[in-house]
Amino acid sequence: DADVTQTPRNRITKTGKRIMLECSQTKGHDRMYWYRQDPGLGLRLIYYSFDVKDINKGEISDGYSVSRQAQAKFSLSLESAIPNQTALYFCATSDFLGSGYTFGSGTRLTVV
Amino acid sequence: RKEVEQDPGPFNVPEGATVAFNCTYSNSASQSFFWYRQDCRKEPKLLMSVYSSGNEDGRFTAQLNRASQYISLLIRDSKLSDSATYLCVPSDNYGQNFVFGPGTRLSVLP
Repeated sequence: DADVTQTPRNRITKTGKRIMLECSQTKGHDRMYWYRQDPGLGLRLIYYSFDVKDINKGEISDGYSVSRQAQAKFSLSLESAIPNQTALYFCATSDFLGSGYTFGSGTRLTVV
Repeated sequence: RKEVEQDPGPFNVPEGATVAFNCTYSNSASQSFFWYRQDCRKEPKLLMSVYSSGNEDGRFTAQLNRASQYISLLIRDSKLSDSATYLCVPSDNYGQNFVFGPGTRLSVLP
């Protein structure tokens, strides 16, 4: 099993729909992150969490919300999806030493 | 000035060539540095960590120049499997702030 698992792998949804992307990890890491990647723009941080009670906005949090249900679970929600949220979304974890990320395989989201 | 700048490439090199990428960063407080490789439509994977002046792992060498605020990645004896996008990632001392560069694309040609 993968250390960081994202579901779904692919999703097509309609404008205005609510959608949740899920992430779970078996690394035992406290820190979890959500990024989106767009062609030519690189990875941009949406939200991050350093422990279960800690939630922080990243560079592009507007239109998104998150929930840290447990140390191992961190979900990302789009309350009302819009087409410019079409992107590749990655969840990542890291240890408290900051020794680098482990990424999930990504969720390819298309909003039509 | 962007926080992290990389030449987007693509760098097209023949098998066996040596290729180097540079990355400049603007935050002088950055303490840890990472190189990730990302294959098309896949997740980034950690390639190397750089905490002092440099690091070497087989065919890969990373060098850090704190005074000039740049890090480089050297790949010797390029393989076809090295074709990917290479992301430069500085981080602060506590690993609380990772900033991803836009990446440099490498194509190794037969």
